[in-house]
Amino acid sequence: DTEVTQTPKHLVMGMTNKKSLKCEQHMGHRAMYWYKQKAKKPPELMFVYSYEKLSINESVPSRFSPECPNSSLLNLHLHALQPEDSALYLCASSQRTSGRTGELFFGEGSRLTVL
Amino acid sequence: DAKTTQPNSMESNEEEPVHLPCNHSTISGTDYIHWYRQLPSQGPEYVIHGLTSNVNNRMASLAIAEDRKSSTLILHRATLRDAAVYYCILFYFNNLFFGTGTRLTVIP
Repeated sequence: DTEVTQTPKHLVMGMTNKKSLKCEQHMGHRAMYWYKQKAKKPPELMFVYSYEKLSINESVPSRFSPECPNSSLLNLHLHALQPEDSALYLCASSQRTSGRTGELFFGEGSRLTVL
Repeated sequence: DAKTTQPNSMESNEEEPVHLPCNHSTISGTDYIHWYRQLPSQGPEYVIHGLTSNVNNRMASLAIAEDRKSSTLILHRATLRDAAVYYCILFYFNNLFFGTGTRLTVIP
């Protein structure tokens, strides 16, 4: 199983809602990532988890709250978002957080629309 | 952050080789050079990576300059399925930051 599964594929929410994005992998990877991608732009790194501990937070606003309950799961909790937060949210995983160990596996993303 | 510079777009005829360049003049000794591609409506897909030596895999070849300040991704025979945005990325420790990428158009 070499897949990263993201749910939901599409999410529409109001600015006062609370919702969560979910990411799952069963490859035994110990590093997991959240990226945000706006239309026609490259993905932007948001968070990195290494061995279930948050190791990088790229100055992301607190209305985005990541959680890594175990080595296979990564959540992104959303609260009081703004319309400009509408984007494709990509999850990825890798064996370790090292360029030497090779590839990141990406999910297909969750497309978020904030009304 | 380590930065990469790529042309915004390139075109290739089908079944011809494609050379996608990338400049990374601020690369440090521990930065790995990674290439990913993103097809429409999909997440990025790993293509290849290397440190100093040229690398080959079933998808492509990676040629790395001796001073490591530039690299070239080589697709040996472009197909229509290779039309995508190709990202050259420097990966160090936890950080994999995407550059602006090159949009490759393959002409039948």
